[in-house]
Amino acid sequence: AAGVIQSPRHLIKEKRETATLKCYPIPRHDTVYWYQQGPGQDPQFLISFYEKMQSDKGSIPDRFSAQQFSDYHSELNMSSLELGDSALYFCASSFRVLAGDGELFFGEGSRLTVL
Amino acid sequence: KQEVTQIPAALSVPEGENLVLNCSFTDSAIYNLQWFRQDPGKGLTSLLLIQSSQREQTSGRLNASLDKSSGRSTLYIAASQPGDSATYLCAVDSNQGGKLIFGQGTELSVKP
Repeated sequence: AAGVIQSPRHLIKEKRETATLKCYPIPRHDTVYWYQQGPGQDPQFLISFYEKMQSDKGSIPDRFSAQQFSDYHSELNMSSLELGDSALYFCASSFRVLAGDGELFFGEGSRLTVL
Repeated sequence: KQEVTQIPAALSVPEGENLVLNCSFTDSAIYNLQWFRQDPGKGLTSLLLIQSSQREQTSGRLNASLDKSSGRSTLYIAASQPGDSATYLCAVDSNQGGKLIFGQGTELSVKP
């Protein structure tokens, strides 16, 4: 069965650079979520989109932005990178929780290292 | 504010043992609770999802229970195997929007 696809899997950037992460949800899933997991930490919710509109927002820095496109894939853009942004970034998808059971399926993550 | 706690933080058991992982949450007004498995540096694999109206869910050797009123969930693993070694995370959805609040996880090691 198709899963959530994230790219790139690994990314190394310098401080103050910009990074873009991509997420392709499971086919037919209409909601995408972004989570950040720092070293030794539990995942923290960043932002979510339903039908290309932002549906919820968590602890996402102002330097970060995200969007969901017409084909339902999503991109997380991170600018002015800081050392503290080094983390594993997860994308998850679900069929709209109001209509389904709300189960989230996560991708393998994109590991960002900021030097 | 919802807070999720998992006890113990780490657990080491010999192969074949049955074990229980605990998860507690402070606000009982939840939509669902999901258990995940995470291997080191890897993604989150969904194990079981329990809706707020349900008491338990089973999948193979795994059984998850939910007691919403007391703010607790347990994950029971029967006949543990070395391949079960991983970190197990529970996560609560309180607002029906998929914004999960995670516990810190229990790192399980099953010794051959």
